[in-house]
Amino acid sequence: EVQLVESGGGLVQPGGSLRLSCAASGFTFSNYWMHWVRQVPGKGLVWVSRINYDGSSTRYADSVKGRFTISRDNANNTLYLQMNSLSAEDTAVYYCARDLPSDGSFDFWGQGTLVTVSS
Amino acid sequence: SYVLTQPPSVSVAPGQTARITCGGNNIGSKSVHWYQQKSGQAPVLVVYDDSDRPSGIPERFSGSNSGNTATLTISRVEAGDEADYYCQVWDRSSDHWVFGGGTKVTVL
Repeated sequence: EVQLVESGGGLVQPGGSLRLSCAASGFTFSNYWMHWVRQVPGKGLVWVSRINYDGSSTRYADSVKGRFTISRDNANNTLYLQMNSLSAEDTAVYYCARDLPSDGSFDFWGQGTLVTVSS
Repeated sequence: SYVLTQPPSVSVAPGQTARITCGGNNIGSKSVHWYQQKSGQAPVLVVYDDSDRPSGIPERFSGSNSGNTATLTISRVEAGDEADYYCQVWDRSSDHWVFGGGTKVTVL
């Protein structure tokens, strides 16, 4: 059974940093691109970042480029999102999602982890 | 950047058909995917590549895509279909993934 379990969310002050993790199981992690998607409570889904199979290629939404870094550890089946220079606008539930090969959809999602940026 | 436009809400009676549109410039040339998100839960893929259904998704969910509009159709709507629905594409020009604003489906 495919499982994606996010962790690392919490309360952080403006300007602070946080690292999210997503533990993957039930599939060959290194065969899939992975993404982070966020959702402000009560609002819509927003794509954040993507990483390819071995981490050699990454993409970011304009709103996080230069502040967030996506990475992965295929040996430990874990996806990461390092978030720096956080602001209130980054407050959201962060989901990791698996990329269905060749068509750009997200076929499995984690349950999400809440990041709150507040003083 | 590429923009996807969805109606904020759709209301439908049980047993009837709900149609949710997703507008975008020449969206017919892209693969459109649809997600269902029930309250307090993670999104679930219900249609991919315009009209394919993942394993376990009922045949009542179908999709189409042509011109500037993609459509998710839910036939014989049930109370359990009440949720937010999002369309999504990959924008080749920016190499970004894009979501529509979401449509809340209310079963009357």
